[in-house]
Amino acid sequence: AQTVTQSQPEMSVQEAETVTLSCTYDTSESDYYLFWYKQPPSRQMILVIRQEAYKQQNATENRFSVNFQKAAKSFSLKISDSQLGDAAMYFCAYRSASSGAQKLVFGQGTRLTINP
Amino acid sequence: DSGVTQTPKHLITATGQRVTLRCSPRSGDLSVYWYQQSLDQGLQFLIQYYNGEERAKGNILERFSAQQFPDLHSELNLSSLELGDSALYFCASSVRDYQETQYFGPGTRLLVL
Repeated sequence: AQTVTQSQPEMSVQEAETVTLSCTYDTSESDYYLFWYKQPPSRQMILVIRQEAYKQQNATENRFSVNFQKAAKSFSLKISDSQLGDAAMYFCAYRSASSGAQKLVFGQGTRLTINP
Repeated sequence: DSGVTQTPKHLITATGQRVTLRCSPRSGDLSVYWYQQSLDQGLQFLIQYYNGEERAKGNILERFSAQQFPDLHSELNLSSLELGDSALYFCASSVRDYQETQYFGPGTRLLVL
């Protein structure tokens, strides 16, 4: 079974600075998808970024980018120019590309605090 | 706003009772997923439906059941409720049943007293 590990329960960063959240995963599959979801105090789960395992190029979405290291099974999220609205729980998630396994497997989350 | 709606937003009930949580997927999405978020178990997959049929099951208790109706909305039924069932229940939807990003609803917060 696949597992996702986020080793940083909490992180903090100064406003306008850059922060990197770590995620590692364990799988025997070669084709899969990785996601970062953000959960602000409202508890809504918001998709931040998605990465397909077959793509070598790291995904980027505005101030958010990932460092995908397939061999190391690592998938970190970099937030540039941190803003107060970035404060939230961040969850890393894995999804198999197999048609029989569509569920998301989540890590335990990292709580990100932005210091003004 | 993801386009996925869930009702009710909050639910308070007593042990032994039964409740029904409702989810309407994004327009055009055929697949619905249910997840439970609790303090001790984190976010866990419960069950998935695709176009009215059950597609995958996760850590769903026998006291829980779900279905997807012809209009594609889904309901999660929780019965014989226990204190430990208190959690945030999310519904997510995607266009198809594989290789698609899942978009989450706002969740239903269930408190069992």
